[in-house]
Amino acid sequence: KAGVTQTPRYLIKTRGQQVTLSCSPISGHRSVSWYQQTPGQGLQFLFEYFSETQRNKGNFPGRFSGRQFSNSRSEMNVSTLELGDSALYLCASSLGLASSYEQYFGPGTRLTVT
Amino acid sequence: GQQVMQIPQYQHVQEGEDFTTYCNSSTTLSNIQWYKQRPGGHPVFLIQLVKSGEVKKQKRLTFQFGEAKKNSSLHITATQTTDVGTYFCAGRTQGGSEKLVFGKGMKLTVNP
Repeated sequence: KAGVTQTPRYLIKTRGQQVTLSCSPISGHRSVSWYQQTPGQGLQFLFEYFSETQRNKGNFPGRFSGRQFSNSRSEMNVSTLELGDSALYLCASSLGLASSYEQYFGPGTRLTVT
Repeated sequence: GQQVMQIPQYQHVQEGEDFTTYCNSSTTLSNIQWYKQRPGGHPVFLIQLVKSGEVKKQKRLTFQFGEAKKNSSLHITATQTTDVGTYFCAGRTQGGSEKLVFGKGMKLTVNP
């Protein structure tokens, strides 16, 4: 079974630009969660989508948004990029809601904002 | 809001030593999950604990859920260099939202 894939793997953007990251979950998994990982803050939860609906949201500004498609693939968008948005963005898929099922993480997208 | 604290944040041990790391929640949890992230890698699921006082073993790793379901521990026996990485715990508040809250992680280094 193929694992979770994320594209692109690396991205360099300029302040003020916007970016879209993509995540393809494991086949059959209906939940996709997104996390921001930085050295100082650890893993911070962004949001979780289940069957195309956002089920949970972390404490991030509205510049961070996401969506999930009918095939469970998910995208995350960050608008008006700031230097502090530089981080590793991880997505994880699970059969059901992440709080009850083991999550399988993708390799991440390394975003650098200059 | 719900907080999950991991103690210690950093642990350096000699190969062959045993050690324990802890995960404490400010609220009662319905379950707790542990993940391991190797340097340069992504988090990998290790275990989920659901019952009060539950103990599960995976080879040299022993996971325990506290009786009050507010804390958990991970004990590693005879540490090896392959154990190097950051260990995260994540819990869901009992009766609360469906959100899974991660601790900041415990970074383990091993001296061979």
